[in-house]
Amino acid sequence: KAGVTQTPRYLIKTRGQQVTLSCSPISGHRSVSWYQQTPGQGLQFLFEYFSETQRNKGNFPGRFSGRQFSNSRSEMNVSTLELGDSALYLCASSLAGPGGSGNTIYFGEGSWLTVV
Amino acid sequence: AQSVTQLGSHVSVSEGALVLLRCNYSSSVPPYLFWYVQYPNQGLQLLLKYTTGATLVKGINGFEAEFKKSETSFHLTKPSAHMSDAAEYFCAVRVAAGNKLTFGGGTRVLVKP
Repeated sequence: KAGVTQTPRYLIKTRGQQVTLSCSPISGHRSVSWYQQTPGQGLQFLFEYFSETQRNKGNFPGRFSGRQFSNSRSEMNVSTLELGDSALYLCASSLAGPGGSGNTIYFGEGSWLTVV
Repeated sequence: AQSVTQLGSHVSVSEGALVLLRCNYSSSVPPYLFWYVQYPNQGLQLLLKYTTGATLVKGINGFEAEFKKSETSFHLTKPSAHMSDAAEYFCAVRVAAGNKLTFGGGTRVLVKP
């Protein structure tokens, strides 16, 4: 059974550009969430989607957005990139929807974004 | 709002020695608690989780953790460290209302031969 797949794994962008990251959840998983990991701020929750609807949102500016498709695949977009957006972006998926009793959240390998 | 505190950003242990990683949480509702491990240039791998029931939870690779509600703690232990345990470990909490995880700052473990 394939795990959470994220593409691309590595990318370099210039300040002011935008970027789109993709995530394919584990087959059958309908909840997808995104996290940003940086040395200074650690792991921070960006947003969560379930059945194409955003259910939770972290404390990030509006430049960060996401969406989920009918096949549960998800994308996140960052517009007008800043140097501080350089980070590892992790996607996670889980079986049940919000409120599921202790369902495990599985993470992908992440997308390394460098903004220059 | 919930929060997680991991005491010690770096821990150094000798191979064969006890590994003890501390995690304290705050939550206004009964929490679900998790420990994840991250190896260099990789994502997060679940070690173990506490949902309900038995407070001593056993995970993969010989790790276990005990949920102590009175101390709001969920410390991770392994009786005998192995070189392959060198990694960063994250404690996380999730409240029942969603799939959002709140992470601690992480503890990087160095294993000395």
